Amino acid sequence: DVKVTQSSRYLVKRTGEKVFLECVQDMDHENMFWYRQDPGLGLRLIYFSYDVKMKEKGDIPEGYSVSREKKERFSLILESASTNQTSMYLCASRSRGYGYTFGSGTRLTVV
Amino acid sequence: QKEVEQNSGPLSVPEGAIASLNCTYSDRGSQSFFWYRQYSGKSPELIMSIYSNGDKEDGRFTAQLNKASQYVSLLIRDSQPSDSATYLCAVERIQGAQKLVFGQGTRLTINP
Repeated sequence: DVKVTQSSRYLVKRTGEKVFLECVQDMDHENMFWYRQDPGLGLRLIYFSYDVKMKEKGDIPEGYSVSREKKERFSLILESASTNQTSMYLCASRSRGYGYTFGSGTRLTVV
Repeated sequence: QKEVEQNSGPLSVPEGAIASLNCTYSDRGSQSFFWYRQYSGKSPELIMSIYSNGDKEDGRFTAQLNKASQYVSLLIRDSQPSDSATYLCAVERIQGAQKLVFGQGTRLTINP
């Protein structure tokens, strides 16, 4: 089975801090994604990547950046955390013919 | 118009009955369709994928796809209390980059 691991289950950060959310997959997939999930808004795509050092903006990229230096690792960066970035963050990896597998999520609170 | 639309529910079904979840999508060129189950506080879990018109069965779950009507559904037979969760319909865009777009989800409660 594909395993997608997110480094932190819960995080509390202060406004203005730089925040790194890490995601690692173990199946050599090219495609990786970052979503956030908020009540009433569903899952929204922040950024995605098709290969090492490649990145594409999703639907809500403002205030975020990403890094993909190795195929198995896709990092989401909040350059200067704000309270409106309090959310559940979900990383996903995609395999052809199977679909998208999600990590367990990181619940981030910005205070 | 939202790209992927679901009734938010809640949908309440007695144990042992059939639960029917519906989803419509706007991008006529979409090719891949998924149903995810999400328990409260957990991440989405893939339960069904469907790529061609018709029905696809897996145990108690049946996914149905009608591309002409831009409609996807999920049937859960012999519903169990453990099926109580939010069900997310997801459609993979093919215009430009391939990426998954989700509906808002339908909250399903199975009553013992």
